[in-house]
Amino acid sequence: DAGITQSPRHKVTETGTPVTLRCHQTENHRYMYWYRQDPGHGLRLIHYSYGVKDTDKGEVSDGYSVSRSKTEDFLLTLESATSSQTSVYFCAISDPGQGAAGYTFGSGTRLTVV
Amino acid sequence: EDKVVQSPLSLVVHEGDTVTLNCSYEVTNFRSLLWYKQEKKAPTFLFMLTSSGIEKKSGRLSSILDKKELFSILNITATQTGDSAIYLCAEGDYYGGSQGNLIFGKGTKLSVKP
Repeated sequence: DAGITQSPRHKVTETGTPVTLRCHQTENHRYMYWYRQDPGHGLRLIHYSYGVKDTDKGEVSDGYSVSRSKTEDFLLTLESATSSQTSVYFCAISDPGQGAAGYTFGSGTRLTVV
Repeated sequence: EDKVVQSPLSLVVHEGDTVTLNCSYEVTNFRSLLWYKQEKKAPTFLFMLTSSGIEKKSGRLSSILDKKELFSILNITATQTGDSAIYLCAEGDYYGGSQGNLIFGKGTKLSVKP
């Protein structure tokens, strides 16, 4: 989607290895979010960020950490990947401030942990 | 616990049919009801509903919210094969922010056959 890019698009990794997914935006939006989508569960919030170095946990944050050192980048790290973390991960951005911009989702990263 | 429930989970129709997708919600503090369409990639925004009884319409798609009975419906008339997708219902603030997590239902997978 225009203005928001996720990388990689697909990744296969082994159990126990660290994995980092990247979300990059060019919209200068304040808020960034990581969701995971699993069959039977819909999308669930992992972590979100409300500014540089400001992050908070979502509904399913166990086993994940995030970092945001620049406005445009929001990284999701799986310190030691497990098979239960096989999922499609979506990044989203929004800005509720002046000239409010609603949620925009990235195209997703399909992660398989074997 | 806040939750959003969609029904049916899957639906197969033929081109030209009219379909109704259902979404019920139980949340502590209602923000708005959102509908998204998800094809192969990112969810794309369809409607935001905040007021009861006011229909939102876009072409062949329309949606309405009943805040008394805590549900919303999405109608698609004269369906086309291009309407095949997963339709997601979510409760939340479309503009995100500190209360900006979206609570998603599991989605309804619609398949439209020629």
